[in-house]
Parts: sequence; structure tokens; C-alpha cells
Amino acid sequence: GAGVSQSPSNKVTEKGKDVELRCDPISGHTALYWYRQRLGQGLEFLIYFQGNSAPDKSGLPSDRFSAERTGESVSTLTIQRTQQEDSAVYLCASSLGQRNEQFFGPGTRLTVL
Amino acid sequence: SQQGEEDPQALSIQEGENATMNCSYKTSINNLQWYRQNSGRGLVHLILIRSNEREKHSGRLRVTLDTSKKSSSLLITASRAADTASYFCATEKANSKLTFGKGITLSVRP
Repeated sequence: GAGVSQSPSNKVTEKGKDVELRCDPISGHTALYWYRQRLGQGLEFLIYFQGNSAPDKSGLPSDRFSAERTGESVSTLTIQRTQQEDSAVYLCASSLGQRNEQFFGPGTRLTVL
Repeated sequence: SQQGEEDPQALSIQEGENATMNCSYKTSINNLQWYRQNSGRGLVHLILIRSNEREKHSGRLRVTLDTSKKSSSLLITASRAADTASYFCATEKANSKLTFGKGITLSVRP
């Protein structure tokens, strides 16, 4: 595709439910990143994939958060037993490789009631 | 604390004026990047400056980097109403993880 796409664009869920967020990177981009942006805040790094492996998971806030990537393409970020503090915009970015410009998707706005 | 911290937090200027935004960071970096985020949209990469560079230009944008002071500035010349957005600086260290600041809200009045 022409750019990074994410789905859904908006997700409203009840506390305690699981959610799955999807990211489709730019074709051919080997690196993929997930970030979280709380209202009025900067971006928080969550996890980075090089190919299908995740050498850096240091940003995942708790064991309720997990992510996977398959086929060096699509990635899903799963949040289990959502809490209200999980409410944020979740952004995905991809790049040709390390040290290259990251291209961002439009984000998924998650609201946990 | 944040690796990249921008100032001011908010800036309001008249169309045609120049806008200067600053970013400071704490540890050594490979490069520093500036991004723009329009309301409700994703981030757009503006410019990347490497640690061995001191100044870069791109259109109406000028970025400087002072590694001795661990600071960078983004200058937007001849601002336009369409420049209204949030601007973030992000620093990249050796492991390729970008660390973003909280951002600067720029308002350009027509």
C-alpha cells in the first residue's frame, strides 16, 4: 500500500475486555514499531520488530500487552483485560531498516470505559 | 524523565512570522528527528539530522543540532496557517528506539 495503515481507527471497549489492534506496514519495510500516545503527551515506545522477531520489548507496560508479527508484514498488538489507563492512541510505524526514517500510520484511538 | 524535551510547550504566532522551537536531550544520540502531527492525524516525518551534522534545511524548515549543548532547534520561516500542528522532536540512540518529547503546539493565526 501507499502508507502504513491501522485498524480499527477507533475502538471503544469495556474494562476487562481484550482488544486487538492491527498494523499493515509499508511493503518491504523490515522494521515495525508500536507506540502509545496518551492525551497531551508525547509518544511512548512499546515494541520494535525486525522482521518477525522483537529484539526490543522494553516498552511494553505490563504482561497484559503482547504483540506479534507474521510474514514480515502485518503486526497485531493485543491488550488483555483492558484498564481505563490503557485509553490512548496507539501508533504503528515502519521503516526500511534500523536508522531509517519511520513512517507512521494514522493510529487507533482506544477508549476503555 | 523525557529524553527529548521541547520548549516552549505552546507557541502562537502571526502568519508570515518565523517560528522557533527547541528540543533538549540528555544522552548521546545517533540522530535527532522532528515530526509534525496535525490534529487527529498520524505523525509526519519532517527532517532528520545526524549527530555529525550541525544544520540542515528542507524547504522552509531549518534544523540545527548542538551536540555539546545537547540541543536542537527547528525554525519554520514565513509561517502559514497550515503549519498549525503539534511538533515533536525524537532522538534515536544506538538501539534504534526513538524517544519522543511531549511536543509543542504551534498555532499560526491567519
